[in-house]
Formats: sequence, structure tokens, C-alpha cells
Amino acid sequence: DSGVTQTPKHLITATGQRVTLRCSPRSGDLSVYWYQQSLDQGLQFLIQYYNGEERAKGNILERFSAQQFPDLHSELNLSSLELGDSALYFCASSSRDRPTDTQYFGPGTRLTVL
Amino acid sequence: ILNVEQSPQSLHVQEGDSTNFTCSFPSSNFYALHWYRWETAKSPEALFVMTLNGDEKKKGRISATLNTKEGYSYLYIKGSQPEDSATYLCASIPGGGYNKLIFGAGTRLAVHP
Repeated sequence: DSGVTQTPKHLITATGQRVTLRCSPRSGDLSVYWYQQSLDQGLQFLIQYYNGEERAKGNILERFSAQQFPDLHSELNLSSLELGDSALYFCASSSRDRPTDTQYFGPGTRLTVL
Repeated sequence: ILNVEQSPQSLHVQEGDSTNFTCSFPSSNFYALHWYRWETAKSPEALFVMTLNGDEKKKGRISATLNTKEGYSYLYIKGSQPEDSATYLCASIPGGGYNKLIFGAGTRLAVHP
């Protein structure tokens, strides 16, 4: 158990809908990262927040947005969902914002868009 | 475009065999390398973080080396056990001040009793 929690574990929804994935980092960690694992692709970095501020962005679609709240939990919002958005979404956290910080991964949310 | 490549894609070994895999990354733009172990139905588990050329890290029967000048890292498993069966991922963090992990596709290891 990494100490990172994600809810829900599974989510099934229809095309065009909007969903929110939630992540609570390990106690004391200030950085939260979001990654996407699609069937035909490896783990892809989406976005990082550090202490409430957006810190780095990957190939995140405009239909996706995220935020980190004052209590440091983070939410990833996915809207106008398409079939291709079906994937495993991981959240990770690290203590600070250094490249050498270990990133601890949560159990993931499996999103299925029908 | 920064590509991290891992080889082989998959590997089948017998219990007790020692094995190793390769991770290649662009040496021209490198800050750190992370290794992860990912078991089916679980989340990736951190193994090592490496930054310096010539760095060697060890955790039990698993060790890793890093060559930043030529852009590769090796992961070694000594005396493989069935519980070592997992996908081993490496991820590079390029220079530039951001902590984006750029993952390779992984090496899937199956250790047969």
C-alpha cells in the first residue's frame, strides 16, 4: 500500500458524459501527478500540481482539467468523453518537486466509456 | 521527441536464473532515471531513482546501473523467483526543471517454477 488513495476504483459511463476522478496523496506529500494508461500506449504523463499550483503539463487534452485543493487532494475532470478515453488513470504523489523524488502511485481508476 | 525504449519486450526465465533488461534514453537531455516494478492488478512500485553516471543501486536481489553518457540503464535480477514476475518499467526525467516521468513500454518478466 503506497498510501495514495484514488476513488472510484471503477467507473463506467457513456460517450459525451463528464466524470471526476479523485486522488488523496500520501500524508505530507505536496506534489500530485496524473498519468493515463491506455490499452495501446504506455503510461503517459498528464499533469502535475505542487502545493496547489499547476507545475507541469503533458499531452493533456483540452477536455481534461485538474486541480489541487488546499487540503492537497486532487481531482481530474474528464468531459465530453469519447470511447478512446477508456483507460486506467493513475495518480501519484511525491514529497516535494524534485526530479529525484520518488513518485508513489495509487491503485488507479479504471474508466470505461461505452 | 524524447523516447525511452526498453528491451526485451518480454522475457521468460526459469526459477533461479539471473536476468537483465535494458532501458535506453536520450543522453543529451537527461536529469534522472526511475525504475518501477508493476505487478498485474497492482500499482507501479518504485525501485530506484538514479542520477549520476556510473551510479549503482541495489535492493535485495535486484540491482541497477546507469550510464548517462551513452544513455542506458541495466536492471539485473539475481536468482529469479516466481514472485519477481512483473512488468519492469523505466522512466526518464529530462532536464528543464519539470518532473514529467517519460515511461518506456516496459519489460514483462515471467519466472517459471
